[in-house]
Amino acid sequence: GAVVSQHPSRVICKSGTSVKIECRSLDFQATTMFWYRQFPKQSLMLMATSNEGSKATYEQGVEKDKFLINHASLTLSTLTVTSAHPEDSSFYICSAVQGAGANVLTFGAGSRLTVL
Amino acid sequence: QKEVEQNSGPLSVPEGAIASLNCTYSDRGSQSFFWYRQYSGKSPELIMSIYSNGDKEDGRFTAQLNKASQYVSLLIRDSQPSDSATYLCAVKGNTPLVFGKGTRLSVIA
Repeated sequence: GAVVSQHPSRVICKSGTSVKIECRSLDFQATTMFWYRQFPKQSLMLMATSNEGSKATYEQGVEKDKFLINHASLTLSTLTVTSAHPEDSSFYICSAVQGAGANVLTFGAGSRLTVL
Repeated sequence: QKEVEQNSGPLSVPEGAIASLNCTYSDRGSQSFFWYRQYSGKSPELIMSIYSNGDKEDGRFTAQLNKASQYVSLLIRDSQPSDSATYLCAVKGNTPLVFGKGTRLSVIA
């Protein structure tokens, strides 16, 4: 089955620093990946849709200059949280669909970001 | 704004009972419906997908869809303590997947 690898699983950083999270599709090519954020006891909120070779599409209210997304290859998308602040502390989860027009998302294991 | 509503729970059921989880959605154009299970601190995992009205069964799980009522449900038969988790309903139309806030299920041994 489709496997999505995400790392780091946990990261703690100081306020003002930048953090990069990687998302890889291990056994399939993902032309589209999605980045979600989940605060405690809340649902998954889509941050952006990452398309290979083009700019990401950000959801309303998500700062594109703060959350930099790069999808340089068919198997790798990265999310960089720039100048992180404590309110950015959250669970970040990437996902991918296998095949054009597919509906089923495969999720990475998630990355727990804590900004001190 | 497309919305997916779920009762947050917690829903407590005794071991061996049937757990019934419900979800309503606002977008009549929705075409694909999913149930994900999420354990605390983990990412969601797909349990069931359903695309047409009626019931779809997979082992102990049955998904039910009623597009006229904009309602989708998940039944878990013979509930086990390991089923204790948050269950997320997700709906897709022509836009990316929209998730509900999830229902926390607790199966009491």
